[in-house]
Amino acid sequence: DVKVTQSSRYLVKRTGEKVFLECVQDMDHENMFWYRQDPGLGLRLIYFSYDVKMKEKGDIPEGYSVSREKKERFSLILESASTNQTSMYLCASSERRRTQYFGPGTRLTVL
Amino acid sequence: AQTVTQSQPEMSVQEAETVTLSCTYDTSENNYYLFWYKQPPSRQMILVIRQEAYKQQNATENRFSVNFQKAAKSFSLKISDSQLGDTAMYFCAFMKHVTSGTYKYIFGTGTRLKVLA
Repeated sequence: DVKVTQSSRYLVKRTGEKVFLECVQDMDHENMFWYRQDPGLGLRLIYFSYDVKMKEKGDIPEGYSVSREKKERFSLILESASTNQTSMYLCASSERRRTQYFGPGTRLTVL
Repeated sequence: AQTVTQSQPEMSVQEAETVTLSCTYDTSENNYYLFWYKQPPSRQMILVIRQEAYKQQNATENRFSVNFQKAAKSFSLKISDSQLGDTAMYFCAFMKHVTSGTYKYIFGTGTRLKVLA
């Protein structure tokens, strides 16, 4: 079975802190994605990556950056966390044109 | 712009009954993929069913089936013989071609389904 893991289930940070969210997949998938999930807004794509060191902006990239140094790992970085970035963050991976597999999510609270 | 619309924020159904969740989408593409994902309370998002637009036959997975109307850009999910374990948030998603060989997914806002005992 495909396994996508995220470094933390719950995270509490203070405004202005630099935050790293890590995602690892074990199925050699080419594509990896970061979403945020908010009530009433569904899933919104922040960034995605289709290969090592390759990245593309999603629909809401402002305030975020990403890093993909190895195929299995995709990191989301909040350079200076703000309260409006309090949300559930979901990582997913997929082969080309295939089903996405999701991690368990990280619920981030920024105080 | 491509969009996915789920017009039912919440629904409920009695155990063993049938329920249909609606989804419409907007695209100018001819070949694409559509998905229904399920997110149980406090649990991981998982795939329910997937439909390839070039296939006219509606996809079916056990108690889950879709009604895919390409011309109407409609992709509804039918759950037969509803079970308590079907209680979840359901998301409709559209896979969009971005550049050659690259794709991204657009999700609807979700329908929260509660199955009542």
